[in-house]
Amino acid sequence: ILNVEQSPQSLHVQEGDSTNFTCSFPSSNFYALHWYRWETAKSPEALFVMTLNGDEKKKGRISATLNTKEGYSYLYIKGSQPEDSATYLCASTNAGGTSYGKLTFGQGTILTVHP
Amino acid sequence: IAGITQAPTSQILAAGRRMTLRCTQDMRHNAMYWYRQDLGLGLRLIHYSNTAGTTGKGEVPDGYSVSRANTDDFPLTLASAVPSQTSVYFCASSPGRPYTDTQYFGPGTRLTVL
Repeated sequence: ILNVEQSPQSLHVQEGDSTNFTCSFPSSNFYALHWYRWETAKSPEALFVMTLNGDEKKKGRISATLNTKEGYSYLYIKGSQPEDSATYLCASTNAGGTSYGKLTFGQGTILTVHP
Repeated sequence: IAGITQAPTSQILAAGRRMTLRCTQDMRHNAMYWYRQDLGLGLRLIHYSNTAGTTGKGEVPDGYSVSRANTDDFPLTLASAVPSQTSVYFCASSPGRPYTDTQYFGPGTRLTVL
């Protein structure tokens, strides 16, 4: 079983603040790192898929970076808005073992943006 | 386009009863997945299917079975429900490249086993 860890577990910020969270994942046999956004009472929605060391992806005010050699990814939100409040999940896919080709999710970072 | 539908939306079930959670996708995706979501544990893979006619075990398969008779449907069956199976169940699908494809999730089924 692979270990994907996210920190912090939860985060409270004020509207307009910029914020970032971390996802650490096994670097061996790495294939891809996925970020999802999960609003309460809805289903997880894909943000990014990154595969190459040094990858950077951006979608509006949200961006993500990837370091496959050390096994971490950062998600950044610039100028947080109340509608950014959600749980942000990362998941990795690695080859081999019982987790072959499947997404292994972290436990998520719960972001609350206060007006 | 509906995407992925799940039924029922929620269910309260007596322990020992049999229950099938339904999942249907209309995107012609090859791969489908069942996850359970528990507080503090995130999403854990129960079973998956890379293509119609094949299934595989995920991280927490015990007490669950699946079938994949066609591309669109991927039902999850609890043969004899136990209280520890109280959870929110999400079905997902992806086009079929196992490592890099985005997975698309259904709305979830909230199951309570008493």
